[in-house]
Order: sequence, then structure tokens, then C-alpha cells
Amino acid sequence: NAGVTQTPKFQVLKTGQSMTLQCAQDMNHEYMSWYRQDPGMGLRLIHYSVGAGITDQGEVPNGYNVSRSTTEDFPLRLLSAAPSQTSVYFCASSSGTSGGTGELFFGEGSRLTVL
Amino acid sequence: SQQGEEDPQALSIQEGENATMNCSYKTSINNLQWYRQNSGRGLVHLILIRSNEREKHSGRLRVTLDTSKKSSSLLITASRAADTASYFCAPNSGGYQKVTFGTGTKLQVIP
Repeated sequence: NAGVTQTPKFQVLKTGQSMTLQCAQDMNHEYMSWYRQDPGMGLRLIHYSVGAGITDQGEVPNGYNVSRSTTEDFPLRLLSAAPSQTSVYFCASSSGTSGGTGELFFGEGSRLTVL
Repeated sequence: SQQGEEDPQALSIQEGENATMNCSYKTSINNLQWYRQNSGRGLVHLILIRSNEREKHSGRLRVTLDTSKKSSSLLITASRAADTASYFCAPNSGGYQKVTFGTGTKLQVIP
């Protein structure tokens, strides 16, 4: 059972470079989301999607782009990396059971350093 | 969406003791979920309690929900060193919506 797979696990970028963090889930979940977590803090929601072709902003969307062309994939793009985007990024998905956004399944995280 | 607020921020106990952490939220909910995060790992779902439930058990975990006070508590009984982690609550008001998290309770269980 793969669950939620994030790649890469580690990445170092220079300021101004762009990159894409990949997230794939094999559970046919409609809901997918991206979070960032900074040291000693909770998770902050960047973007989320409730189905293919539908995305919306979270708490901290600036500097990030997302798209959802398939149910399985939800890539996060950093357009022009900045040191403030140094963080650990988590992707999560949910089937939306229990009358709402149900149990979230998380990936293992992608650790990004921007120099 | 709404964000839960966990309390206390940090908790240190001896192995074998019980650990209690609390979550408060602001508006009515459909369900509330608790998650655990081990250091450097993704969050793992522990338990979901619906708004019409007052208490739920899962192994050594006991969750209570008081919708009149807009609060929930997570009790871990007979704690183990492996329970050392951060714990987060996620109140959910129903429908597909963004799920946000607070800063969590950092639990340290001393062997």
C-alpha cells in the first residue's frame, strides 16, 4: 500500500530557482492538500483541492502554484524560491467520509532548503 | 474552516502515567479528529469523534467531546516512551473544506 507519496524527500535550491514538489495518492481520494511546517510550529495550509480541476487557496498561498489535472496527482510549484520558503512540506489526502473532510492521510514530507 | 487550539503547548510525564491534552474550537462542528506527529514524520490519524458522540475509545486512547463548551480532550493512559510526539486536533465543520491545524501539544514521556 503506497498511500501518499511525496518526491523528492530532500531538495536544496538557490534563491530564484523554481521547482515542483510531487504528490501522488493511490486511494482515489478526492480531497488533497499541501501544508508547510516550520520549526516548532504547526502545519499551515498552502493550497487544497476537492477534486480534479478544482483548487483553492489556504492560509499561506503566496509564492506557490498548484494544479489538479488527475485525481491521483497534486503537484506544488515554487515559482521563484525564496529563503522564507525553507520548510518541510507535507501533502495529505482524504476521501471525505464521515460527513465531511474525513481522515487525512499524510506523506512523509519533503524537506526544502533555499539558500 | 476553523482551527483547533491545543493546550498545553508542552507536557512532560513519566512512563506509566496518563497524559491529557485539550482542544478548543470556535464554531459548531461535524466531527473532530486527533493526529499524532513523531519527530520528522508526517501526521498520523488517531481517532475521529462525531458531534453526536460524547466519548470514544481506541486502545489506550480516550477522546471526549463537549459541544456545549466547544472543547475536546485526548487522554493517553499508561503512557509509553513511544508516545513521545506532538498531538494535533482538527475540528471539522462538515463538507469538503480546508483543514487547518494549531501548534499542537508536544508530549514527552520519560522512561
